[in-house]
This record gives sequence, structure tokens and C-alpha cells, in this order.
Amino acid sequence: DAKTTQPNSMESNEEEPVHLPCNHSTISGTDYIHWYRQLPSQGPEYVIHGLTSNVNNRMASLAIAEDRKSSTLILHRATLRDAAVYYCILRAPEVSAGNMLTFGGGTRLMVKP
Amino acid sequence: DAGVIQSPRHEVTEMGQEVTLRCKPISGHNSLFWYRQTMMRGLELLIYFNNNVPIDDSGMPEDRFSAKMPNASFSTLKIQPSEPRDSAVYFCASSLAPTGLYEQYFGPGTRLTVT
Repeated sequence: DAKTTQPNSMESNEEEPVHLPCNHSTISGTDYIHWYRQLPSQGPEYVIHGLTSNVNNRMASLAIAEDRKSSTLILHRATLRDAAVYYCILRAPEVSAGNMLTFGGGTRLMVKP
Repeated sequence: DAGVIQSPRHEVTEMGQEVTLRCKPISGHNSLFWYRQTMMRGLELLIYFNNNVPIDDSGMPEDRFSAKMPNASFSTLKIQPSEPRDSAVYFCASSLAPTGLYEQYFGPGTRLTVT
């Protein structure tokens, strides 16, 4: 299975942009790049996903490298509520047991007021 | 939409008792997933359904665990008999389909403590 590598932790100041990197050098041509986050004592929360083109939604932006071997989740203005563990996950388009969500270490984002 | 609904939010029970966890997926979602999360093992997929049919239950740890989805708006996860090592947070999630094309939406979880 294609793996992802993320920094263990990052720190940001409130109201500043945050760029969370993810490396996935063994990504297959059809894998989707998904981002989820988990706030303390809460369930995982979907953030954004994409295949090749950059994606934007109300929560964040996803920038995907041209060779797709890395991606960056962008929070445009971090708030205290964005403090969470962020997970970058690759998912194949077809149905298979290996396609289900498995969270690795993720990046713990700390936001300073 | 209210999102994925789980009940109860907290359950404390004694070893040997039967435990039933409940989940209502988002209306219109065809896939439902049961996960378990512990500090030691992280998030684990237990079983998932597509169109109310169990597709893969290879993550169910033992025969003590069973799951049903009698209709598109309701699913249960039952543990009988429960053991202390079953203590965890159990999440239910739903999705339009069980593929990477679609995101999964999680419920708030049920925190189970077996003493």
C-alpha cells in the first residue's frame, strides 16, 4: 500500500496561514489524496480531497504537486479551533478492504493565540 | 442534515454484559462503517456495509462482535459478552460509496468502558 509521511507536529500563530505537508512518493496514478483531522475528544472530521488539480472548499485548500508525490493542506487563517491532528491518507477509487481509512501518525497542529 | 448520529455517547458496563451500540447514517449515504479507536492501536475498521449488506467484516476481532444493518437508516454493533479489552471509542461513519472518490463522515463516537 502507498504510504504517506507527515511531520509529527507543527506550530502556528492564530490568524496566520498554515501549510501542512505530506509526502507520498509511491502514490499510484489513481489514488485520491484525502485529508482528515481529529480534534481532541472528537471523531475524525473530513477536510478535503483531490486527485490531480488543486482543490478549495470552505475549510481549506489542497495543493497537489505536479508529479503527485507530495501535497500540502493549506489553512488560510488558523484559529484556535483548528488545533488538531491532521491525517493525509491515500485512497484508491475501487472498492477493497485496503481502501478503508487507516490513520497513521498524522501532524499535530498547535495554534498559539 | 444532522450528520451521523450515534448512541449512547458513553457506556459503562461490567465484564460479561451485552453491549449494543447504535448508528444512524446520513440520509442518502449507501455505505456505513464501524471503527474502533484506542491509544494502542489507533483507528481500526471493524466492518462496513454497502446498501445494507455487510461487505467486509475481517476487522471484527472475535465472534463476540456482531453488526447488523436492517435498513438504510440504522445499524447496530453488538458485543456479547463484553470484556475489559473492548474498552475503546467506537465510531460509525457513512459515505455515498465505499471508494476513494467519496469522503466519510464520522459520528461523535461511543466511549465504551468495560470494568
